Amino acid sequence: KAGVTQTPRYLIKTRGQQVTLSCSPISGHRSVSWYQQTPGQGLQFLFEYFSETQRNKGNFPGRFSGRQFSNSRSEMNVSTLELGDSALYLCASMSLAGGTTYEQYFGPGTRLTVT
Amino acid sequence: QKEVEQDPGPLSVPEGAIVSLNCTYSNSAFQYFMWYRQYSRKGPELLMYTYSSGNKEDGRFTAQVDKSSKYISLFIRDSQPSDSATYLCAMSGTGGFKTIFGAGTRLFVKA
Repeated sequence: KAGVTQTPRYLIKTRGQQVTLSCSPISGHRSVSWYQQTPGQGLQFLFEYFSETQRNKGNFPGRFSGRQFSNSRSEMNVSTLELGDSALYLCASMSLAGGTTYEQYFGPGTRLTVT
Repeated sequence: QKEVEQDPGPLSVPEGAIVSLNCTYSNSAFQYFMWYRQYSRKGPELLMYTYSSGNKEDGRFTAQVDKSSKYISLFIRDSQPSDSATYLCAMSGTGGFKTIFGAGTRLFVKA
């Protein structure tokens, strides 16, 4: 079974631009979460989507948005990029197999550099 | 105060040592307790998870959860240089999967 894939793997953008990142979950997984990882703040939860609906949201400004498609693929968008948005953006997918089961798998991440 | 506290280390041990990694948390609603391993420039890899309290063992790894103390641990027996990585604890409640991560502990196992 293929793992979580993220595209692109690396991205360089200029302050003020916008960016769209893509995530394809493991086949059969309907929950997709996005995280931002930086050396200073660690791994921070952005949002989670399930069946095309955002179920949970972290404490990030409205410049960060996402969506999920009917095939469970997800995209996140960051508008008006700031230097502080430079980070590794990780996508994770999960199968809701049962009440005591937790299997969340991460993709390799997209490294975004804002100059 | 952060919801999940984890000492970032670094922690350096000789090959073959028993490693103990720990996290504390403040949110009593957490039900799922996970440990991830992350190698440099890679995404986190799920090592183990525990639902509610108790112990879980998988090969050289043992995870423990003490909900009364809001304290979780990961033990690595017979540590190997290939175990050198950052270990992240993570926790989540029910009703949606918003997962909160610790800062990660950087582990070095010296041959």
